[in-house]
Amino acid sequence: SAVISQKPSRDICQRGTSLTIQCQVDSQVTMMFWYRQQPGQSLTLIATANQGSEATYESGFVIDKFPISRPNLTFSTLTVSNMSPEDSSIYLCSVSDRGTDTQYFGPGTRLTVL
Amino acid sequence: QKEVEQNSGPLSVPEGAIASLNCTYSDRGSQSFFWYRQYSGKSPELIMFIYSNGDKEDGRFTAQLNKASQYVSLLIRDSQPSDSATYLCAVASGSARQLTFGSGTQLTVLP
Repeated sequence: SAVISQKPSRDICQRGTSLTIQCQVDSQVTMMFWYRQQPGQSLTLIATANQGSEATYESGFVIDKFPISRPNLTFSTLTVSNMSPEDSSIYLCSVSDRGTDTQYFGPGTRLTVL
Repeated sequence: QKEVEQNSGPLSVPEGAIASLNCTYSDRGSQSFFWYRQYSGKSPELIMFIYSNGDKEDGRFTAQLNKASQYVSLLIRDSQPSDSATYLCAVASGSARQLTFGSGTQLTVLP
């Protein structure tokens, strides 16, 4: 499976600021996804990052709050904008390839908003 | 609204026993089914995937799928303390095969 890295691994941010999380894969992949895992909760899909076009957001998530870029087949970013303490979560990227539904996860970014 | 439900646990089993984890899903159009293991503070790690009705075995793990009953399970044989983790059931559906996760079952294997 692909090797996935995320930066930063953790951060503590002030309310009202924004943080951009990077996801890098060591090989080209068709699909990249962004998830949120709130404390003590399961994973919730934020959006599918589409290469060369706008991301596809799930219900309850909007582009103004979580802008996503995917400039190529190995890299994506998720920005958490105008943060509030409720955004404190682990943010995970995952990847899968065409022909398979299997998703592999990066190590995650632990975000704390004060 | 696609839903995936798991028995929330926590589930405790003695070392060497069989742990049984269950999951039901609401979307009959779901095509693929996954079990992930998540240790505390770590990201989910794929354990098993299953696409067809029946059983699929991989070492000490067996996944079982019954599409008619919309039910998928994971059996862990000869449970070890290192199996202690949260187990997440995930179901893929939709054009982009998005995953919907259950709430997870916390398993503790007692030495």
